[in-house]
Amino acid sequence: AQSVAQPEDQVNVAEGNPLTVKCTYSVSGNPYLFWYVQYPNRGLQFLLKYITGDNLVKGSYGFEAEFNKSQTSFHLKKPSALVSDSALYFCAVRGRSSGNTGKLIFGQGTTLQVKP
Amino acid sequence: EPEVTQTPSHQVTQMGQEVILRCVPISNHLYFYWYRQILGQKVEFLVSFYNNEISEKSEIFDDQFSVERPDGSNFTLKIRSTKLEDSAMYFCASSGGTGLINNEQFFGPGTRLTVL
Repeated sequence: AQSVAQPEDQVNVAEGNPLTVKCTYSVSGNPYLFWYVQYPNRGLQFLLKYITGDNLVKGSYGFEAEFNKSQTSFHLKKPSALVSDSALYFCAVRGRSSGNTGKLIFGQGTTLQVKP
Repeated sequence: EPEVTQTPSHQVTQMGQEVILRCVPISNHLYFYWYRQILGQKVEFLVSFYNNEISEKSEIFDDQFSVERPDGSNFTLKIRSTKLEDSAMYFCASSGGTGLINNEQFFGPGTRLTVL
């Protein structure tokens, strides 16, 4: 069965410091991987995706993520955190099998708190 | 920038009543989804819809649930007889027209359903 794990409920970072939000996945075959962000009382906003190619993908607002096949991880990173990055972050996976309907499997979410 | 819209933003209903949640996906998208998020929990897939039929549904999506695309622009989720445990935020999503492979899903702002 497909699954996504975000081992940290909350990550606290000082503004200006680098941040990492962790994600590991379990899916048969090569996955499509996504990060979404959710601000309070808002919907999910797409940040970035890994489909194929370069393991380091860059997305919106200075975020990037590194796909590591051997560790089945897709950690979200940013070199310098901003207070406005504080939000709930979801990692999601979608399989590549034929007949795949696009269903996303989400992790449980990680709250990022960036302190001034 | 095109976006997915959802109405109402908040729906309060009595247990056993029918509710219809409405979504207007991005206009050239072909794949449509409903997800839900119970307060404090992860986002869960409910159903995917393509070419005027359900392509996949989860265990949550039982006979009380149905979806419809009545007029080529709206995409609705109906819960025939609501239960207390249906209280959640319901998100509609859509993805683009040239195939699933590289397309991220765009989410609406959600409808908060409260069943009393």
